[in-house]
Amino acid sequence: GDSVTQMEGPVTLSEEAFLTINCTYTATGYPSLFWYVQYPGEGLQLLLKATKADDKGSNKGFEATYRKETTSFHLEKGSVQVSDSAVYFCALKSGGADKLIFGTGTRLQVFP
Amino acid sequence: DTAVSQTPKYLVTQMGNDKSIKCEQNLGHDTMYWYKQDSKKFLKIMFSYNNKELIINETVPNRFSPKSPDKAHLNLHINSLELGDSAVYFCASSQGGGQGAPPEQYFGPGTRLTVT
Repeated sequence: GDSVTQMEGPVTLSEEAFLTINCTYTATGYPSLFWYVQYPGEGLQLLLKATKADDKGSNKGFEATYRKETTSFHLEKGSVQVSDSAVYFCALKSGGADKLIFGTGTRLQVFP
Repeated sequence: DTAVSQTPKYLVTQMGNDKSIKCEQNLGHDTMYWYKQDSKKFLKIMFSYNNKELIINETVPNRFSPKSPDKAHLNLHINSLELGDSAVYFCASSQGGGQGAPPEQYFGPGTRLTVT
């Protein structure tokens, strides 16, 4: 079945460091891909999305490119801030069923 | 003007009790969902409804019964609560799975259920 694999956390960075959180997927057909962010004690917020191969989603300085050849959707940010500390979830929605399949989440901790 | 709202935010109850969680969305979406997030933060779909019709029932115990009185509301009733039901339950909504519809889902703030 469809699945999403994320890198294990936590990822610990100093402020202004470069961030990469890896995400790969297995899916039939051509899924839509998402990154959601969960700040402490809050719900999930849609961070960015990409709906077809080579699309780049971007928001708040975060970017991710839909790579069909490597089945990946890695999240990047050039300069992280303390306020970016949160849990980041990669997710997919395949064409077969109207549901999101999530990765296990990656906790990001940014220190001043 | 919250897009997807849930009540209550916290729910502490004893084993064997029956409880309900309510969800409302004001986005005009046709489809609503319940997801469960366990203690390790893993998220998994439980149910989805489209225009009050059950679409997805993801092998959830019969003690869990969703009800959608209209397309803006999706409630979750849980009978005979067990310790393993302790989790955070998220409601979400989207414009639905039809071709051409935006695929993203919007989540509520979650309900943290603790069963003692």
